[in-house]
Amino acid sequence: EAAVTQSPRNKVAVTGGKVTLSCNQTNNHNNMYWYRQDTGHGLRLIHYSYGAGSTEKGDIPDGYKASRPSQENFSLILELATPSQTSVYFCASGPRGEDTQYFGPGTRLLVL
Amino acid sequence: QQKVQQSPESLSVPEGGMASLNCTSSDRNFQYFWWYRQHSGEGPKALMSIFSDGDKKEGRFTAHLNKASLHVSLHIRDSQPSDSALYFCAAIHTGNYKYVFGAGTRLKVIA
Repeated sequence: EAAVTQSPRNKVAVTGGKVTLSCNQTNNHNNMYWYRQDTGHGLRLIHYSYGAGSTEKGDIPDGYKASRPSQENFSLILELATPSQTSVYFCASGPRGEDTQYFGPGTRLLVL
Repeated sequence: QQKVQQSPESLSVPEGGMASLNCTSSDRNFQYFWWYRQHSGEGPKALMSIFSDGDKKEGRFTAHLNKASLHVSLHIRDSQPSDSALYFCAAIHTGNYKYVFGAGTRLKVIA
């Protein structure tokens, strides 16, 4: 089973602060993804990556940056956190486009 | 409007019964589908994919795809309390393989 880990699992941040969410996968998958999950919206794609050094904008990238420094690691950065970014964030990895995605356990972020 | 619509929003079935979940894509560029299941407090996990017209069966789970209408369904027979979860349909773009998820159907299996 593919392993994807996320840290932290829970985070409380203040409005205007910087938040970094980290994701690590040990399965040598090329593709990695960041989603947020909100009731009534399902999972919405924020940023994704096809490999080390690459990042692409997803459907809701505003207010978020991403970084893929290596095959294993993919970070999501909120430079100026806002209360509207309170959500549960999931990282996923996958070998190629139409294959299954393997999700991490999620990070619950509360922005006060 | 979301590209992927799921129905119903929630569903309750008795233990041992059949659960039927529906999903429709409104964009003909999205013709591949995956079903994912998410138990409370966990990340989603893939159940099964369906890329071709017709039925695909995996154990108690059967998916059906109609490409003409871009409608896919998931049927769970002999439902168990452990099947209680949030079920997502994901449609995949046939060109760039981008995923779009529906809002989910919450299934409750009543013992």
